[in-house]
Amino acid sequence: SQQGEEDPQALSIQEGENATMNCSYKTSINNLQWYRQNSGRGLVHLILIRSNEREKHSGRLRVTLDTSKKSSSLLITASRAADTASYFCATVPYGNNRLAFGKGNQVVVIP
Amino acid sequence: ETGVTQSPTHLIKTRGQQVTLRCSSQSGHNTVSWYQQALGQGPQFIFQYYREEENGRGNFPPRFSGLQFPNYSSELNVNALELDDSALYLCASRTGGMDYGYTFGSGTRLTVV
Repeated sequence: SQQGEEDPQALSIQEGENATMNCSYKTSINNLQWYRQNSGRGLVHLILIRSNEREKHSGRLRVTLDTSKKSSSLLITASRAADTASYFCATVPYGNNRLAFGKGNQVVVIP
Repeated sequence: ETGVTQSPTHLIKTRGQQVTLRCSSQSGHNTVSWYQQALGQGPQFIFQYYREEENGRGNFPPRFSGLQFPNYSSELNVNALELDDSALYLCASRTGGMDYGYTFGSGTRLTVV
């Protein structure tokens, strides 16, 4: 079964706007990671946030983690057409050593 | 060359056949995982190897097996192929512990007919 569940699953925005995706999970985690996938190809690691961290930034990306609500959000600021992709959250469950993926968010950035 | 390389890119097999998918990881990436991704779904964990020993397995039957070699390459073997095995198979590797992200290959698209 999938650990993460992203919401919303499809998002269409204009270039320059911000895109926000949410992810919820069910069990305690070691960390949570976000990946991007273009057109059914390999995934690209974007950012990792540890269970004792609340917020992290990387370039135009901002990720938050609320372990009390078992949820995370990924914000992409000033979106570009090249950000069009599927975005997946994945957890490393506590006591485990594997990635458990959600179903993914399809983001379309319109030029 | 850095990165994770998978071969072949695409493959068509007949139901009941056996298939071997290959992955070449970056030097120093002692951990390698394999995932199955059905169309429109997130990747599902198959198994993971650390220094040539399996150290985790997902909910896949024994006909899915793997190997990791000392040169940071690995392979996924699937016996008695079924139509539902049609998917994108992804190899991912990392160095260090669980607080490191994975580097993924571009995948092998397997179609079983």
